Amino acid sequence: KAGVTQTPRYLIKTRGQQVTLSCSPISGHRSVSWYQQTPGQGLQFLFEYFSETQRNKGNFPGRFSGRQFSNSRSEMNVSTLELGDSALYLCASSFSGPSYEQYFGPGTRLTVT
Amino acid sequence: TQLLEQSPQFLSIQEGENLTVYCNSSSVFSSLQWYRQEPGEGPVLLVTVVTGGEVKKLKRLTFQFGDARKDSSLHITAAQPGDTGLYLCAGVSNSGYALNFGKGTSLLVTP
Repeated sequence: KAGVTQTPRYLIKTRGQQVTLSCSPISGHRSVSWYQQTPGQGLQFLFEYFSETQRNKGNFPGRFSGRQFSNSRSEMNVSTLELGDSALYLCASSFSGPSYEQYFGPGTRLTVT
Repeated sequence: TQLLEQSPQFLSIQEGENLTVYCNSSSVFSSLQWYRQEPGEGPVLLVTVVTGGEVKKLKRLTFQFGDARKDSSLHITAAQPGDTGLYLCAGVSNSGYALNFGKGTSLLVTP
């Protein structure tokens, strides 16, 4: 079974730009969660999608948004990038939600200059 | 937000030593998960504990969930260099749709 894939793996953007990150879950998984990981704050929950519906959202500004497609693939978008958005963005998929076994992708390393 | 505090933050030990890392919260969690993350990779689930007082063993790793379901510990016996990594605990939120992570314990096991 193929694992969770995230593209791109590395990204360098300039302050003020926007970025879209992609996540392909494990086949059959309908829940996709997104997390931001930084050395200072650790792993912080961004949002969770199930069958194209956002079921929960973390405490992040509206510049962070996401969506899920009918094939369960998910994207997250960050608009008007700030230096503090530099982080490892991880997505995780599970069969029905975070309370069950989650499988993480390798992450997208975003650097904002 | 249900916060999880992990201690110690860093741990450097020699091969063969035993260690315990802790995960504490003032909130009750329906279940708690432990992950290990290696550099350049995403976290990998080690175990999920659900019942207060539950103890689970995974080879040399022993996980315990507190009776009140507010805290958990991970004990590693005879640590090996392959145990090196970031150990993260995560509690399932009341909604069931989010995981709240602790900041992790970074473990280094030297030969």
